[in-house]
Amino acid sequence: KNQVEQSPQSLIILEGKNCTLQCNYTVSPFSNLRWYKQDTGRGPVSLTIMTFSENTKSNGRYTATLDADTKQSSLHITASQLSDSASYICVVSGYSGNTPLVFGKGTRLSVIA
Amino acid sequence: NAGVTQTPKFQVLKTGQSMTLQCAQDMNHEYMSWYRQDPGMGLRLIHYSVGAGITDQGEVPNGYNVSRSTTEDFPLRLLSAAPSQTSVYFCASSYGRLANSYNEQFFGPGTRLTVL
Repeated sequence: KNQVEQSPQSLIILEGKNCTLQCNYTVSPFSNLRWYKQDTGRGPVSLTIMTFSENTKSNGRYTATLDADTKQSSLHITASQLSDSASYICVVSGYSGNTPLVFGKGTRLSVIA
Repeated sequence: NAGVTQTPKFQVLKTGQSMTLQCAQDMNHEYMSWYRQDPGMGLRLIHYSVGAGITDQGEVPNGYNVSRSTTEDFPLRLLSAAPSQTSVYFCASSYGRLANSYNEQFFGPGTRLTVL
């Protein structure tokens, strides 16, 4: 069964600290992996999109990594800010058909002063 | 560009009532989708469309209807609302297939629906 598992479920960190969120997937065949940021009460916003040939992709203070062999991805946030408080959702796309997206349940990050 | 817009932002219905959630995009995207988001669960696909006049079912289509008469609009209809349909609904659009990594998916702000 195609699944995306994210860990931890929730995380609290101090402002200025770094953190890493994990995503493991079993989607096959694999096309690409996406990380989204979802602020409370808003729709998800795309952070990065990676194909199997890309190991790392950055978007400002956000850096995503992908290991297609072990089917694992991580999202690293550097020098966290209060505005980073949000849910981070890992989404995996397969090749088949028009509805390939498999969504993780997200990691809820709280950055405190 | 306004991007993806949804109306209303909030709605309360009684069991058995019907309503339509509106979704529009001004990016000339062919692909549009409706998702629901429930606490503790990932986003789940309800219906999607790959172009005007073409719609198909997603993972949880029961109780919902859609139509796509124009490229811009993709309304979601609840024919007879049930408490199990209490959720946050998101509309999304993309230029093409999401299996193509060049196609970014844009989400609307959501509609929070409560069915009593």
